[in-house]
Amino acid sequence: GAGVSQSPSNKVTEKGKDVELRCDPISGHTALYWYRQSLGQGLEFLIYFQGNSAPDKSGLPSDRFSAERTGGSVSTLTIQRTQQEDSAVYLCASSLFDSTDTQYFGPGTRLTVL
Amino acid sequence: GENVEQHPSTLSVQEGDSAVIKCTYSDSASNYFPWYKQELGKRPQLIIDIRSNVGEKKDQRIAVTLNKTAKHFSLHITETQPEDSAVYFCAVSNYGGSQGNLIFGKGTKLSVKP
Repeated sequence: GAGVSQSPSNKVTEKGKDVELRCDPISGHTALYWYRQSLGQGLEFLIYFQGNSAPDKSGLPSDRFSAERTGGSVSTLTIQRTQQEDSAVYLCASSLFDSTDTQYFGPGTRLTVL
Repeated sequence: GENVEQHPSTLSVQEGDSAVIKCTYSDSASNYFPWYKQELGKRPQLIIDIRSNVGEKKDQRIAVTLNKTAKHFSLHITETQPEDSAVYFCAVSNYGGSQGNLIFGKGTKLSVKP
């Protein structure tokens, strides 16, 4: 079946602009995660949605970052007033119920802030 | 919060040798320990996981051991092959407790030389 998809695959923007990154999880998966991976670095947790519970936003690096998950499916990560240090690959993952289930990752969105 | 340390950061082995990667964690309530493999330019994929009620788990050439007392777990790859070359990430979760998301280690770049 279809895996996790993300769009766009690449995004180049100018410093100070806002960007929106989209994630379509696997159908039926109730948990959705966003991570950031800088070049050659590990996976930095950003935010976690699990069912109808309030999202865990503890990983968001600043108030310029926000995320929504509409209808328990598609999620959008928004970065306002982008900075050069925001440049990274943003990965989305989904799992069936919670974080003890296998996480399936999307291909990522490579964000470049000039 | 949870802190996950992963060693070594790079590991080079000859084809056919074994490779061992170790992770330590800080939260004794953590109960789920997956390992992900990320090939160059690709998304992370789960290769094996272990839960806190099990000490060891094997899947062909891959095994994971868990020592809850010492708060560490290790990935063992035997009879390494060039296609095992990738970055390996350990992760820790405490679903149902204070931390429902996965916290990843910084990764180990494994190179298997033919």
